[in-house]
Amino acid sequence: KAGVTQTPRYLIKTRGQQVTLSCSPISGHRSVSWYQQTPGQGLQFLFEYFSETQRNKGNFPGRFSGRQFSNSRSEMNVSTLELGDSALYLCASSFAGGFTEAFFGQGTRLTVV
Amino acid sequence: TQLLEQSPQFLSIQEGENLTVYCNSSSVFSSLQWYRQEPGEGPVLLVTVVTGGEVKKLKRLTFQFGDARKDSSLHITAAQTGDTGLYLCAGGPRGGGNKLTFGTGTQLKVEL
Repeated sequence: KAGVTQTPRYLIKTRGQQVTLSCSPISGHRSVSWYQQTPGQGLQFLFEYFSETQRNKGNFPGRFSGRQFSNSRSEMNVSTLELGDSALYLCASSFAGGFTEAFFGQGTRLTVV
Repeated sequence: TQLLEQSPQFLSIQEGENLTVYCNSSSVFSSLQWYRQEPGEGPVLLVTVVTGGEVKKLKRLTFQFGDARKDSSLHITAAQTGDTGLYLCAGGPRGGGNKLTFGTGTQLKVEL
């Protein structure tokens, strides 16, 4: 069974640009969550999508947005990039059963210069 | 806001030693998951505990969920160099959903 796939693995962008990251969950999983990981703040929840609807949202500015498609694949977008957005962005796939067992992808390392 | 504090933050030990990592909160969680993460990679799920007082064993790793479902511990027996990594606990919210609250992390280094 294939795991969670995130693309691209690495990305370098300039301040002010926007970026789109992609996540393909484990087959059969309908929930996709996104997290930002930085050395100073650790792993922080961005948002969760389930059946194409945003079900939960973390405390991030509106520059961070996402969506989920009918095949459960998800994308997240960051507009007007800031230096502080440099981080490892992780996608987690869950079946959306009774408890939250999440399986992570390898992440996308975003560097903003 | 739910917070999970892990201790210790850093741990450097010799191969063969035992160690325990703690994950504490003032909040109740519906489940508690433990992950290990290597540099530049995503966290890998080790175990999920859902019942207060539950103990799970995975080879040399023993995981325990507190009776009140507010804390957890990870005990490693006879550590090996392959156990080196960042250990993260993560709490699942009451009422379900997949918004995990992650702990502050414990960086473990096991040396020969």
